[in-house]
Amino acid sequence: GAVVSQHPSRVICKSGTSVKIECRSLDFQATTMFWYRQFPKQSLMLMATSNEGSKATYEQGVEKDKFLINHASLTLSTLTVTSAHPEDSSFYICSAVLDRGSQPQHFGDGTRLSIL
Amino acid sequence: DAKTTQPTSMDCAEGRAANLPCNHSTISGNEYVYWYRQIHSQGPQYIIHGLKNNETNEMASLIITEDRKSSTLILPHATLRDTAVYYCIVRASGNTGKLIFGQGTTLQVKP
Repeated sequence: GAVVSQHPSRVICKSGTSVKIECRSLDFQATTMFWYRQFPKQSLMLMATSNEGSKATYEQGVEKDKFLINHASLTLSTLTVTSAHPEDSSFYICSAVLDRGSQPQHFGDGTRLSIL
Repeated sequence: DAKTTQPTSMDCAEGRAANLPCNHSTISGNEYVYWYRQIHSQGPQYIIHGLKNNETNEMASLIITEDRKSSTLILPHATLRDTAVYYCIVRASGNTGKLIFGQGTTLQVKP
């Protein structure tokens, strides 16, 4: 089945640091990738939709200057949390889909971000 | 996209079938029903999806009522490793592709 790899799986860093998370589709070319955030005991919240070669579309309330998304190829999207603060600590998950038909999204295993 | 309603939690005995219901009474004609599950501290795992016909794969079966207002995910022989949060999501084909996650059903498989 489709495999999506996310790296790193866990990050612990100091407040003010910028952190980059990578999302790769390993065995298919993803026309669209998505970034989600999940706080403890809550469901996934969509942050942004990323299409290869174009600007990401952010959900309401998500700061695009805070969460920089780059989707330079059909197999790689990156999320950079800029100047991270403790309130940015969360579980970040990406997903990828082959096209926008009925094909399902496939998810990475997530990145646990802890800001001290 | 239509909203779904699922029970908050369910228990199932190991080896027995787990039947997880989902209501989607406002579903539109071009909307598919998707099921995912999330095991603690992992990303969601795709299970199955369907439009109006019942579907079966190596993981589960999906039964969709004739009026499409509800569906049931069936895990035929639940194991302890099936303990997870199960999400039922409705999404139209060809739209932006967004999946909107609700709270899902926490399935606890007990020995």
